[in-house]
Amino acid sequence: SYELTQPPSVSVAPGQTATITCGGNNIARKGVHWYQQKPGQAPVLLVYDGSERPPGISERFSGSGSGNTATLTISRVEAGDEADFHCQVWDPLSDCPGIFGGGTKLTVL
Amino acid sequence: EVQLVESGGGLGQPGGSLRLSCAASGFSFSSYDMNWVRQAPGKGLEWVAYIRSSGGPIHYADSVKGRFTISRDNAKDSLSLQMNSLRAEDTAIYYCARVVGERYHFYMDVWGKGTTVTVSS
Repeated sequence: SYELTQPPSVSVAPGQTATITCGGNNIARKGVHWYQQKPGQAPVLLVYDGSERPPGISERFSGSGSGNTATLTISRVEAGDEADFHCQVWDPLSDCPGIFGGGTKLTVL
Repeated sequence: EVQLVESGGGLGQPGGSLRLSCAASGFSFSSYDMNWVRQAPGKGLEWVAYIRSSGGPIHYADSVKGRFTISRDNAKDSLSLQMNSLRAEDTAIYYCARVVGERYHFYMDVWGKGTTVTVSS
């Protein structure tokens, strides 16, 4: 079955750029989606189809991908960005098509 | 306002049953596929089940296959998850989520606030 690998944690100082990766076999060829989840809240769609932002999502959040790695980049990090970030793909050829990465905790120093 | 509201969570006995519901409003529920996603305490998100807008096909995670049943009532704008043979590892917050996407690059653009299920004797 297809697996997604995320680093458990990433730390960054305010104003700097945070990079969160999501690894998977040929992941750049799949539609990769990212969610932000703040403590005690439901996940919120942040980026879909690798690099598209839903309405209302800040331009500071951007997605990209190449080969076996998809990347979520957060520029000019703010204290309010501290959250868990989850990547997700849909594998239509699988009997269990919904796949999430393990999640990454972003800490703003 | 587009909204999903889950209910039905609570304390369940090991081996027992619970039924979760999700009420949809603000959009044409019958036009959308739906997912259940759960999150165990301190853990990441885990996809649980999917149902097509028309009611089929249906897919389940291996961890719940044969024990959980997803269903929907498009006339009542409602999604359900029947949970049988509960196990301690089913303890989690359960979210219902609207599925969108093209070319089977499905993702979830609207989420409910979740309902908490605790399985314990």
